[in-house]
Amino acid sequence: DTGVSQDPRHKITKRGQNVTFRCDPISEHNRLYWYRQTLGQGPEFLTYFQNEAQLEKSRLLSDRFSAERPKGSFSTLEIQRTEQGDSAMYLCASLSGRTYTGELFFGEGSRLTVL
Amino acid sequence: SQQGEEDPQALSIQEGENATMNCSYKTSINNLQWYRQNSGRGLVHLILIRSNEREKHSGRLRVTLDTSKKSSSLLITASRAADTASYFCATVDSSGGSNYKLTFGKGTLLTVNP
Repeated sequence: DTGVSQDPRHKITKRGQNVTFRCDPISEHNRLYWYRQTLGQGPEFLTYFQNEAQLEKSRLLSDRFSAERPKGSFSTLEIQRTEQGDSAMYLCASLSGRTYTGELFFGEGSRLTVL
Repeated sequence: SQQGEEDPQALSIQEGENATMNCSYKTSINNLQWYRQNSGRGLVHLILIRSNEREKHSGRLRVTLDTSKKSSSLLITASRAADTASYFCATVDSSGGSNYKLTFGKGTLLTVNP
């Protein structure tokens, strides 16, 4: 399978715990995006990378959130001291860097439930 | 923040009927895309229309774009039960240059009854 993969698919945690999600993009795609989606809403942009550089962060990304893409390949999204309001689907997507245009390829998402 | 607003929020039709969903947006765009999402799954790209295009077809899909009204429509013809999903429009702001990111609407939930 050469699509975008995300891990874990589901995570249940208690309030105050830290969680980390991983995204492996399509191998030749050098742009990687994180979105968050709550029930009944569309995806909301969180941040994106070009290779290892984080180019933009949304105001939604509070200081409890950190995203990295250390070698320009996979990316991690960490949420520290989780709150119930963090419960959502976290979606990763990648984009071919040849033209920086076109469609985003999404993974299946990581669903977070904070109890 | 979400750029697009889809209309209707929910649509229920019978198999074989056509389904039309509309999207309105606020800023000047580079392109507009439609995505589909099955419940609990990731998004799948359906079709992209550029700001200088007015209509595009792909199989049973037809997309129109009216930049003067800042609106787009997605038509699915001869719907099937398997078309049941949420449909989202997403726009790319024209002012971004290489800053390429999609801003999504809230989606239309389409139910096709067999």
